[in-house]
Parts: sequence; C-alpha cells; structure tokens
Amino acid sequence: GAVVSQHPSWVICKSGTSVKIECRSLDFQATTMFWYRQFPKQSLMLMATSNEGSKATYEQGVEKDKFLINHASLTLSTLTVTSAHPEDSSFYICRLTGTSDEQYFGPGTRLTVT
Amino acid sequence: EDKVVQSPLSLVVHEGDTVTLNCSYEVTNFRSLLWYKQEKKAPTFLFMLTSSGIEKKSGRLSSILDKKELFSILNITATQTGDSAVYLCAVLIQGAQKLVFGQGTRLTINP
Repeated sequence: GAVVSQHPSWVICKSGTSVKIECRSLDFQATTMFWYRQFPKQSLMLMATSNEGSKATYEQGVEKDKFLINHASLTLSTLTVTSAHPEDSSFYICRLTGTSDEQYFGPGTRLTVT
Repeated sequence: EDKVVQSPLSLVVHEGDTVTLNCSYEVTNFRSLLWYKQEKKAPTFLFMLTSSGIEKKSGRLSSILDKKELFSILNITATQTGDSAVYLCAVLIQGAQKLVFGQGTRLTINP
C-alpha cells in the first residue's frame, strides 16, 4: 500500500491562531483528496473534497473561509484552520483516492485549541 | 441525504464470545460497503463488499452484504481483548468516491 503522512501528527495552538495541516503521499498519485474530522467518541464526518488543481467542494455546514484547502499537486494537500477556536479541537484525517479503487487514509492530526 | 446507521453503538462482551455488528444504509448511487477498525489513530481497512450474499472472511472476522435489504453484518468469533476498538461501517458512493460513515460501534472485550 501507499505511504501517506500527515504533519503535524499533534498540535496545540492558542485561540485565534491559524494552523496548517499537510497530507502527503510518498508513492501514490491522489487525484482526489478528502478531509474528515472526528470529534471524541464520534464518527468521521466529511468536511470537503478536493481534486488536484481545482477548488475544494465543502459539505453543508463547513465554512470554506475557515477551513482552507489546497490540493496543489497529486501528492500534497493542505488544510488550514484559520482563527481556530476551542470547538475546532478535533482529529483531522485525510483520505486519498486515485484512478483505480485504491484508497488510503492518512494517520491523522490531533488539533487542540486552547 | 445519504445515511449509514450502525447498531449497537456500544457492546461489552467477554473474551471468547461471538459478536455481530450491524450496519444499514440508505444512499443514492451505492458502490460498495466497507468495514474499518479504529483504535487510537486512523481507521484500518477490514473488508470491502460490493456483491450481495458473498461472505468475506479474514481469520475470525467475516462480513456479508444484503443489497436488497440494504444492510451488512460484521461477525467476530472467539473474541480477544485485542479486538476492542471502534468498528466503522462506510458506504462508498459511485462516481464521487465519497465515503459516508456510520456512527461506529464501540466494542469492548473483557478478559
């Protein structure tokens, strides 16, 4: 399977600051990347879908100006949480798909906003 | 709206017991149903089911899909403490490649 990394794996930031999370694939060309968040004891909720070189499509209720997604290449997507607040504290996971049925999850990033 | 519902939400059993986890769905453009195990980090893949009635098996775990009744079950026999985890069911949407997750079943195996 592909090697997918997320950086950072864990971050604590102060309320009002912005945090950038990277999802990187070492050996898989991800034509589509999905960003999920998972609150404690809850399931994964899809936030947005991005295709390489295009603007992301956001799910209902997810603010596109707050969660900036950039899918600049087939191996890198970034999620920036702008002006983070404590309620944004969550586990953020990327999922990658390509042209076949293969799909991979990143290991996740735990964000804590104080 | 696409919906995936799992039951029970939580289950506590003794080591050695057999458990059955349920997943029902209501989605447009169904492609496949997937089961994942999640411990502390990202989900790990267990099964992908596309055809009805064909059981998939991996060791003590097995799963089957019923596309007429729109549900799937995941069975774990001779459970071990290492099976304790959250089990997630997800439906893959045709075309969009979107995965819609159920709420998960938190399984606890006591020694």
